[in-house]
Amino acid sequence: DVVMTQSPLSLPVTLGQPASISCRSSQSPVNSDGNTYLNWFQQRPGQSPRRLMSKVSDRDSGVPDRFSGSGSGTDFTLKISRVEAEDVGVYYCMQSAHWPYTFGQGTKVEIK
Amino acid sequence: QVQLVQSGGGVVRPGRSLRLSCAASGFTFSDHAMHWVRQVPGKGLEWVALISYDGRQKDYTGSVRGRFSISRDNAKNTLYLQMNSLRTEDTSIYYCVSEIGVKNFDYWGQGTLVTVSS
Repeated sequence: DVVMTQSPLSLPVTLGQPASISCRSSQSPVNSDGNTYLNWFQQRPGQSPRRLMSKVSDRDSGVPDRFSGSGSGTDFTLKISRVEAEDVGVYYCMQSAHWPYTFGQGTKVEIK
Repeated sequence: QVQLVQSGGGVVRPGRSLRLSCAASGFTFSDHAMHWVRQVPGKGLEWVALISYDGRQKDYTGSVRGRFSISRDNAKNTLYLQMNSLRTEDTSIYYCVSEIGVKNFDYWGQGTLVTVSS
């Protein structure tokens, strides 16, 4: 199975400051169709996960543009340009290029 | 809008069975694969099971294979997870998840807690 490794696992941030989460995969999440199936999910406290980003950088409808995704090969990054209080929660990367789909361990974002 | 409304769950003793349901609306259920994903409270996400749009293909994570069975009723727009021979380590929040877009987890149910305890 493809192993997804996130860092850091805990990320205290100051409101209004940027935040960055890294996700590394043991195998490139490029499918035979040429697409890179690297996704990001947000799970706010007490809620179900919600998809933020698919195929590295395609932001879902309703996701603020302060969230951006980047990367290639086996290294990917989710950035929040200016953290707001509603961004508190756990963020997961997931690869869906290779079966079974696998998640990173999660990165907990909290306000300092 | 897409909705996945889950039911079932609760407290059950080791070795017993439980069935989870997930009622879908807002999309053509019969056209899309569906999944179950679980999460030990406070921990990470683990994919559990997949069923193809027509129910012909199924797959399971190793720890539940032979004990859990995923199924669907496309006439009722409902997904199921039959969990047999439950173990304490199956205690988790279980989510149903749609795969409407290609190779993606689009929408998640509200989750249902399954607690296996004597």
